[in-house]
Amino acid sequence: DADVTQTPRNRITKTGKRIMLECSQTKGHDRMYWYRQDPGLGLQLIYYSFDVKDINKGEISDGYSVSRQAQAKFSLSLESAIPNQTALYFCATSDPSGGEQETQYFGPGTRLLVL
Amino acid sequence: GESVGLHLPTLSVQEGDNSIINCAYSNSASDYFIWYKQESGKGPQFIIDIRSNMDKRQGQRVTVLLNKTVKHLSLQIAATQPGDSAVYFCAETTYSTLTFGKGTMLLVSP
Repeated sequence: DADVTQTPRNRITKTGKRIMLECSQTKGHDRMYWYRQDPGLGLQLIYYSFDVKDINKGEISDGYSVSRQAQAKFSLSLESAIPNQTALYFCATSDPSGGEQETQYFGPGTRLLVL
Repeated sequence: GESVGLHLPTLSVQEGDNSIINCAYSNSASDYFIWYKQESGKGPQFIIDIRSNMDKRQGQRVTVLLNKTVKHLSLQIAATQPGDSAVYFCAETTYSTLTFGKGTMLLVSP
């Protein structure tokens, strides 16, 4: 969905490095999410934010941190990357007030490889 | 179905057939369910949703059935086309966040 963009789309980094993945949305949604997807598996929730002042841990938050800089921006950081964080990362947004309850709209993903 | 290790359950059908993809969910308190389609190299895309006070909902060529008694969800795709080839995930809402199933790969051959 072009309304949700992620940068970079691909990233290779080394063990121990700090990296940041960015997510921007033009949908005007208050809620934003970060997921990781491992090959052959579903999506696991890392962190989510229901508004600019709200940050919540998901299922697998260890080793990650987030920042909600504005309604439209939600970034994910790996403080010290490790190889088992190699995965596909997705950002998503939702707006329950629009009558669509928890329908989430996903970005195109960031493929991260940690060497 | 549930995946084992890195292998997704796979459904192979011929173009024009009807496809049925199944999903078992875990939380009896979930009140909203969504089916997503994920094509290779792309993010999940919303297909259809259903609330827990319904047992069936129809869209364009797709139907979702919900059986709360056995906590089972299914996605039916009519007249399956090659463009329907993708991984399909069900998701349930629990406390305003989504929990995703592991997915089923649908392969449509011409």
